[in-house]
Amino acid sequence: EVQVVESGGGLVKPGGSLRLSCAASGFNFNTYTMNWVRQAPGKGLEWLSSISSGGDFIYYADSVKGRFTLSRDNAKNSLFLQMNSLGAEDTAVYFCARESTNDINSWFDPWGQGTLVTVSS
Amino acid sequence: DIQMTQSPSSLSASIGDTVTITCRTSQTIRNDLNWYQQKPGKAPTLLIYAASNLHTGVPSRFSGSGSGTDFTLSINGLQPEDFAIYYCQQTYSISFSTFGGGTKVEIK
Repeated sequence: EVQVVESGGGLVKPGGSLRLSCAASGFNFNTYTMNWVRQAPGKGLEWLSSISSGGDFIYYADSVKGRFTLSRDNAKNSLFLQMNSLGAEDTAVYFCARESTNDINSWFDPWGQGTLVTVSS
Repeated sequence: DIQMTQSPSSLSASIGDTVTITCRTSQTIRNDLNWYQQKPGKAPTLLIYAASNLHTGVPSRFSGSGSGTDFTLSINGLQPEDFAIYYCQQTYSISFSTFGGGTKVEIK
């Protein structure tokens, strides 16, 4: 079964750091671009970051640029999101998603179940 | 950045109704537009990719159309399990993706 599973969420104080992980299984992880998307409580989806299959190209949303760092370990089929300088506005469920493509278009599937990050004192 | 305007933000409909949701982008994105369904407490799931392609396992009552800047998602014959929030997404830009604000489909 193709799946991705996030972990690492929790309660963190403002200004603190947290590292999220995403474990992939059921597909050739090293051939897919991967993404993080978050959803604040009661809000819509916000794309955060993507990393190419080999890790050569990494992109960030302006809202997290300079604070979040995306990386991957293809040998361990894992994706990581290092989050620093966290603020209340970062409170959200964080989803990991595989980016599939037909060489022309791309889409996100599957998504993980999400991991909740709460930033509060 | 590419802005996404999804409408309506919410709608009420009855079982069996046909529902249409629109997504407009601030610049042309060819057909690089996807639709997702999200139920409470769950992750989004892919419905339609590349504007009009039905994802594997998605019922045929769902359909997508459009290209350029204007796109639609239609549900032909709403079923109880279709009450959810629907999001459009552009993947035209190689360096960022954007989601629409979502449309909540509720029972009338």
